[in-house]
Amino acid sequence: KAGVTQTPRYLIKTRGQQVTLSCSPISGHRSVSWYQQTPGQGLQFLFEYFSETQRNKGNFPGRFSGRQFSNSRSEMNVSTLELGDSALYLCASSQSPGADTQYFGPGTRLTVL
Amino acid sequence: KQEVTQIPAALSVPEGENLVLNCSFTDSAIYNLQWFRQDPGKGLTSLLLIQSSQREQTSGRLNASLDKSSGRSTLYIAASQPGDSATYLCAVIINSGYALNFGKGTSLLVTP
Repeated sequence: KAGVTQTPRYLIKTRGQQVTLSCSPISGHRSVSWYQQTPGQGLQFLFEYFSETQRNKGNFPGRFSGRQFSNSRSEMNVSTLELGDSALYLCASSQSPGADTQYFGPGTRLTVL
Repeated sequence: KQEVTQIPAALSVPEGENLVLNCSFTDSAIYNLQWFRQDPGKGLTSLLLIQSSQREQTSGRLNASLDKSSGRSTLYIAASQPGDSATYLCAVIINSGYALNFGKGTSLLVTP
């Protein structure tokens, strides 16, 4: 089975722009979660989707949003980018929320200039 | 709020040593606990998942234990190898949500 894939792998944007990141879960997995990783804060939970519904959201501003499609693929969007949004954004998938092993993708490295 | 702490933050050992990484969490009402490794600039690789009803899990040279009452988990690595060098992360899911709460990790260096 193919693993979790994320596109693009690297992005460079300027302040004020917006960005969309994509995640394709492992085939058969219906739960997708997003995390932000920075050197200072470590890994922080952004949101989690299951069957196209956002079931849980972390403590991030409304500029961070996401969605899940009927094929379980997910996108996250960050609007009005700030320098502090520079981070590695990781997507994880599992068969169901919470109970199962979560498998992570390679991440998207976002740099905001 | 669940807080996850990992000690030590960094560890350097010679090849062949057995070692223990520690993880503690403040809220014992966890659903499960998962150990990951992360190589520089890469995503996370799942190592072991321990359900709240279990006491330990083993995979190859790795053994993870869970003591919910004391809020602790340990990851034991036997006969360490240079390829084990990575950052090891502990994460818990609490009963009221589905998010992984991560520790800051232990950076392990195994020298030949």
